[in-house]
Amino acid sequence: DSGVTQTPKHLITATGQRVTLRCSPRSGDLSVYWYQQSLDQGLQFLIQYYNGEERAKGNILERFSAQQFPDLHSELNLSSLELGDSALYFCASSVDVRADNEQFFGPGTRLTVL
Amino acid sequence: AQSVTQLGSHVSVSEGALVLLRCNYSSSVPPYLFWYVQYPNQGLQLLLKYTSAATLVKGINGFEAEFKKSETSFHLTKPSAHMSDAAEYFCAVRVTGNQFYFGTGTSLTVIP
Repeated sequence: DSGVTQTPKHLITATGQRVTLRCSPRSGDLSVYWYQQSLDQGLQFLIQYYNGEERAKGNILERFSAQQFPDLHSELNLSSLELGDSALYFCASSVDVRADNEQFFGPGTRLTVL
Repeated sequence: AQSVTQLGSHVSVSEGALVLLRCNYSSSVPPYLFWYVQYPNQGLQLLLKYTSAATLVKGINGFEAEFKKSETSFHLTKPSAHMSDAAEYFCAVRVTGNQFYFGTGTSLTVIP
């Protein structure tokens, strides 16, 4: 158990809908990262937050957005969902933004768009 | 720019045989390098990391990796494969406090 929690574990929805994925980082970790893992694209970095502020952006679509709240939990919002958005979405956390800090990964949310 | 290349998307070894998973990186500055393992239906778990101390890094479950700057490599090895090692392995590089760059992963199969 990494100490990172993600809810829900599974999510099934229809095209065009909007969903919110939630992540609670390990106790004491200030930085949160979101990743998308799909069979065809591998593990893709989406976005990073540090202590409530956006820190880095990766391959995140405009239909996707995220935020980190004062209690440090984070939410990833996916809207106007398409079939291709079906994937595993991972949240990870680290203590801070030092480059030698490892990231601790949550168990993931499996999103299925029908 | 930073990137990671994992040679061999699938590797099969016999139980008890040497495991060698290859990772080459590209970085304009000294990198920090990581190996993660992902078991089916689970998140990624850190195996080991290189942070510019010793070039031979020992990790969990008997795995180790050697940083070779001249070859820009960080290959993962284990002397004797166990059935429980069957999983997906990811190499990652990080040079700033921002994002990780992950390789495409290597699926390890252990044959009894």
